[in-house]
Amino acid sequence: DIQMTQSPSSLSASVGDRVTITCRASQSISSYLNWYQQRAGKAPKLLIYAASSLQSGVPSRFSGTRSGTDFILTINSLQPEDFATYYCQQSYSTPWTFGQGTKVEIK
Amino acid sequence: QVQLQESGPGLVKPSQTLSLTCTVSGGSINSGGYYWSWIRQHPGKGLEWIGYIYYSGDTYYKPSLKSRVTISVDTSKNQFSLKLTSVTAADTAVYYCARARLRSHSMIYSFDPWGQGTLVTVSS
Repeated sequence: DIQMTQSPSSLSASVGDRVTITCRASQSISSYLNWYQQRAGKAPKLLIYAASSLQSGVPSRFSGTRSGTDFILTINSLQPEDFATYYCQQSYSTPWTFGQGTKVEIK
Repeated sequence: QVQLQESGPGLVKPSQTLSLTCTVSGGSINSGGYYWSWIRQHPGKGLEWIGYIYYSGDTYYKPSLKSRVTISVDTSKNQFSLKLTSVTAADTAVYYCARARLRSHSMIYSFDPWGQGTLVTVSS
């Protein structure tokens, strides 16, 4: 199975901050990487697919980039509704696997 | 827009079979290019993909669960289902159904949308 490792596991930030979350794959997955947001008590929501493509309806302050097997989710100007847990997920090969999550908390 | 809704017992006894159904509305489960998936989340933990089914009945299961999992589809009811046998407390989780959608230009599958999730507790 491909292991997805996110860092950090949690972070504290303030409204208006720029936040970056990293996801590293245990092997090459090309750009077969998705990012999801999960608010407390809710189902995950797709934010970004194919490493950098913004899902329809997702605010443009969210962006994704790839550098080799490292993937970065950036949230520019953090908003109150962005405090949540973020997961990366690879769909390069089955079994599809998720990172362990990064919780973004209010400072 | 397509919506998914899980249903089934919230409490299952150890050694018994967990059975859940996902009802798809706003679209046909027969539509090509989608893999209908089950994903679970242990309390306070991350996400674990269980497997998927195509409308034709083709399935893939996560190897570590394969011996206990069956995913089936009922196209007449626009539903797909999960059965997990011989459950233990370790199977206590929120179970989500989700549609894995293929993006033709990037050839990537991504989960969208998701059901709201249903908590299944394994306890006597």
